[in-house]
Amino acid sequence: GAVVSQHPSRVICKSGTSVKIECRSLDFQATTMFWYRQFPKQSLMLMATSNEGSKATYEQGVEKDKFLINHASLTLSTLTVTSAHPEDSSFYICSALTGTSGGNEQFFGPGTRLTVL
Amino acid sequence: GDSVTQMEGPVTLSEEAFLTINCTYTATGYPSLFWYVQYPGEGLQLLLKATKADDKGSNKGFEATYRKETTSFHLEKGSVQVSDSAVYFCALSSTGGGNKLTFGTGTQLKVEL
Repeated sequence: GAVVSQHPSRVICKSGTSVKIECRSLDFQATTMFWYRQFPKQSLMLMATSNEGSKATYEQGVEKDKFLINHASLTLSTLTVTSAHPEDSSFYICSALTGTSGGNEQFFGPGTRLTVL
Repeated sequence: GDSVTQMEGPVTLSEEAFLTINCTYTATGYPSLFWYVQYPGEGLQLLLKATKADDKGSNKGFEATYRKETTSFHLEKGSVQVSDSAVYFCALSSTGGGNKLTFGTGTQLKVEL
């Protein structure tokens, strides 16, 4: 099946620094990728839709200047958390959309655990 | 807006027990419904889905039926195994929603010998 990777899997940074998370579709091309955030014991919250070659579409309440998304190629989308603060600590998950025999399907990466000290 | 409600966990069962994880939804139109599973240390995987009322999704012994009248999509398995221990997420995708998914909070399942 389709495989999506994320890097890094875990990152610890100091408050005020920026952190970049990569999401790659390894064996397929994805014009659309999604970025989610997951708090402990809570559901995945969609942050933004990333489209190759165009600006990302952010969900209501998500700061686009805080969470910079770049979808530079059909296999790579990056999320940069700028000037990170402890409240940004969370589990960030990406997915990549592709067509299957059953219709469009999102394939998920394993997630990145961000801890801001 | 769209929302998904699923039972809180953790759910602890003995091997070979019957499993039900309840899921209800609120959505406009006719959404597609999904169950995803997340094994420890891995990403979410699609377990099954149903795209219209009365459809039954099934995979790996798991089943769920799209019940429009009760707005439900309960997950069932007749005999669970230790290897089924994971977190299960119910989700929906609304018609015209651009393939966006709305997730429930997830239910952790622990299966013991």
